[in-house]
Amino acid sequence: DSGVTQTPKHLITATGQRVTLRCSPRSGDLSVYWYQQSLDQGLQFLIQYYNGEERAKGNILERFSAQQFPDLHSELNLSSLELGDSALYFCASSAAGEQGIISGYTFGSGTRLTVV
Amino acid sequence: AQSVTQLGSHVSVSEGALVLLRCNYSSSVPPYLFWYVQYPNQGLQLLLKYTTGATLVKGINGFEAEFKKSETSFHLTKPSAHMSDAAEYFCAVLISGSARQLTFGSGTQLTVLP
Repeated sequence: DSGVTQTPKHLITATGQRVTLRCSPRSGDLSVYWYQQSLDQGLQFLIQYYNGEERAKGNILERFSAQQFPDLHSELNLSSLELGDSALYFCASSAAGEQGIISGYTFGSGTRLTVV
Repeated sequence: AQSVTQLGSHVSVSEGALVLLRCNYSSSVPPYLFWYVQYPNQGLQLLLKYTTGATLVKGINGFEAEFKKSETSFHLTKPSAHMSDAAEYFCAVLISGSARQLTFGSGTQLTVLP
């Protein structure tokens, strides 16, 4: 157990639907990162939150959004799903600041999303 | 922009042979460099990292990597491969002061043959 909890582990849904992926960071970590891993795109950074505020955006589609709540858990919302959104979605957390990143991310085991 | 390139999306070695996974980065300033490993159906796990100081860094499971500024490289090695090393390996970079998150390479799938 890495300390980062992601639910659900697997999700199968139809095109056009909306899903929510949940992440609880490791205890004490303030930063949460979302990554999408697919065969053709590799590991793509989506978005980062720090202590409830958005800090950085990567290759995140407008159909996707995220938030971090006061208890520091984060949710990634994916809407109007397309077949191409099928992927592994990872959440990672780190301690605050650059030193936190340098210490290394802690990854969850991911949510495998299948859009049919 | 910072980037990292992993040469070879698939590498196969025999059990007991040397493992060499290549990673090159682009940066005008010294970066922080990382190797992560992903076992099937699991998240990524930190293997080792270079921040400052000694350029040869040792990680878990017998892996090590050497930061070579002149070659802008951070190749991962292990003297003798074990079957349990079969996994996907990711190189990642963080440029001090300019980025808030790690940028990962495309990954190298390591297969260990009996």
